[in-house]
Formats: sequence, structure tokens, C-alpha cells
Amino acid sequence: AQSVTQPDIHITVSEGASLELRCNYSYGATPYLFWYVQSPGQGLQLLLKYFSGDTLVQGIKGFEAEFKRSQSSFNLRKPSVHWSDAAEYFCAVGEVEAGNNRKLIWGLGTSLAVNP
Amino acid sequence: DTGVSQNPRHKITKRGQNVTFRCDPISEHNRLYWYRQTLGQGPEFLTYFQNEAQLEKSRLLSDRFSAERPKGSFSTLEIQRTEQGDSAMYLCASSSRWGEGEVEQYFGPGTRLTVT
Repeated sequence: AQSVTQPDIHITVSEGASLELRCNYSYGATPYLFWYVQSPGQGLQLLLKYFSGDTLVQGIKGFEAEFKRSQSSFNLRKPSVHWSDAAEYFCAVGEVEAGNNRKLIWGLGTSLAVNP
Repeated sequence: DTGVSQNPRHKITKRGQNVTFRCDPISEHNRLYWYRQTLGQGPEFLTYFQNEAQLEKSRLLSDRFSAERPKGSFSTLEIQRTEQGDSAMYLCASSSRWGEGEVEQYFGPGTRLTVT
């Protein structure tokens, strides 16, 4: 069955430090991968997505993610974290059937805290 | 278009009462999804529509839950005889069909249900 694992439930970093959030997936076909961010009281916002092509994808807010098929991973990175990045981060894999987007399978999320 | 909207944003109800939520997707999107998110968890898929047709329902969607999208535009999610375990954030998302240039799902702000 398709699944997404985010091994880190909580991460705390200092402002200005680099960040890497881990995501591993289990999916039988070529995955469609997403990272979303959810701030308190806000809806889910797409940070970036991967479907094919260049395995390093750039997103909004200075985030990037790298798809590694051999490791079944899609880790999210940011070189310098800002206090406003404190939020919940979700990795998701898009379940596709006959070329149609069916649904997203989600990880449990990683809560990011940023120390000043 | 301002994105996906959901009403109400918050709903407090007593156990045993019926509640109905509404979702208005992005106007040109023909796919509409419902997810449920409980505290500390990632979203869980409930059901999705393509136009007015309900194409898939999760086993999480018990007989007390019903969703409709009568004219292929807005959708409603009704929960009958609410239970305390129904307390959660109910998220709506919309997207275009795969291969039409937009593959990600755009989320509304959610409706937070509290069953007392």
C-alpha cells in the first residue's frame, strides 16, 4: 500500500540555520510528490512538487527538495531558516490512476520550531 | 477567483446533531476532494468528485457521512448523528484533471468541527 513516512515529528532549529525535513515514500509507480506547509489557523499551502525531470525542485519561500528514487526519499531543504518558517510541514504522494489524479496520501507531518 | 472557500470556518455542535459543511472550489477545477485532519495527524482522504460524480469514498466515510456535488460546482459534506470522534478539521481541495496543466490540489482553510 502507498504510504508516506516523515520520521521527525518535531524539529527545532535556530534562525539562520539550515534545515532538512525528511520524507520517505512507498509507491509502486513513478511518484508524484508534494510538500505542503500549514501555519496555525491557515490552510495547506503548496511549497513545491515533483513529477518528472530534474530531481532537484525549487519551491516558494526559498525551499527546495530533492527526489532520490534509490532511497525513496523526497527531503525538503532550506539553507537559512526564518522565524516565519515555523509551521507544520507535510509530505504527500499523489495517487494516480490512468493518468488521473485520485488523491493524496499524507505523512503525519513535521512540526518546525525556530529559535531566535 | 480567490481560491477554495469553506463555510463555516468553525462549528460547535452537540453529540447526536447533524451538521453540514460547504466547499466552493476554484471555478475552473472539475475535481473536488474532502479530507479530514485530526490534531497531530496528516490529512486523511475521505472522498472525491469529478464534476458531479463521486468517484471514490474512503472506508473512513461511514454511513453517517454523505457528500454531494449536485451541479459539479460547490460540494456539501453532511455528518448525521455526530459523535465526539468526528471532531476534526474538515478540509476541501480542488484540482484540474491530470494532464491539463495543473496537478496539485488547492486547499481551503478548513472547517473545524467540535462535537461536545
